[in-house]
Amino acid sequence: QSALTQPASVSGSPGQSITISCTGTSSDVGSYNLVSWYQQHPDKAPKLMIYEVTKRPSAVSNRFSGSKSGNTASLTISGLQAEDEANYYCCSYAPSNTWVFGGGTKLTVL
Amino acid sequence: QVQLQQSGPGLVKPSQTLSLTCAISGDSVSSNSVAWHWIRQSPSRGLEWLGRTYFRPKRFNDYAVSVKSRISINPDTSKNQFSLQLNSVTPEDTAVYYCARGPWIQLDFDCWGQGTLVTVSS
Repeated sequence: QSALTQPASVSGSPGQSITISCTGTSSDVGSYNLVSWYQQHPDKAPKLMIYEVTKRPSAVSNRFSGSKSGNTASLTISGLQAEDEANYYCCSYAPSNTWVFGGGTKLTVL
Repeated sequence: QVQLQQSGPGLVKPSQTLSLTCAISGDSVSSNSVAWHWIRQSPSRGLEWLGRTYFRPKRFNDYAVSVKSRISINPDTSKNQFSLQLNSVTPEDTAVYYCARGPWIQLDFDCWGQGTLVTVSS
């Protein structure tokens, strides 16, 4: 199972919106509405930000939103804040009860 | 509030067995509504799902193809914890290892352990 494809880095200024893409295949992202997104600060464990493509855990800010079209999922962060600077990873459920992650995107808040 | 606390050695010799434990508080390892996963992270491989154990109601396991011949994930209901064993390790297995909880319906990872850096070196 190949890793999902994410851009290595994105950046934006405070208050702006950014979108991170996550491209898989018709066997994973395209087959299941089971894409999740994780935020990871340096030396910390990943934190769930979005699940089932568009759903947000109750403790996560509504500035975070998810979507999917075909084999590509996206994470959008609106009203960028300094604390959003982190690495972001997508993940998809995949055939035979497995999971595949993206390579990660480093978000820089300028 | 679910918490996962990992323990185990940070250094393992090549060809030996990597063993880690994840102690659960606030949930049960034998719950029918969640699965218990191991995931690792390294600069060369990124985040990599390794496997899971769950009860539905009897016990099942699923493993990543890349480690299937070397891995075992086992629950311990008496201690409410689960473990990872990875045999015949090489320096390629050097990584930060995480345990995580996965709600059955959502199929994501909603709670993570603190991570354990395991270095494979003689």
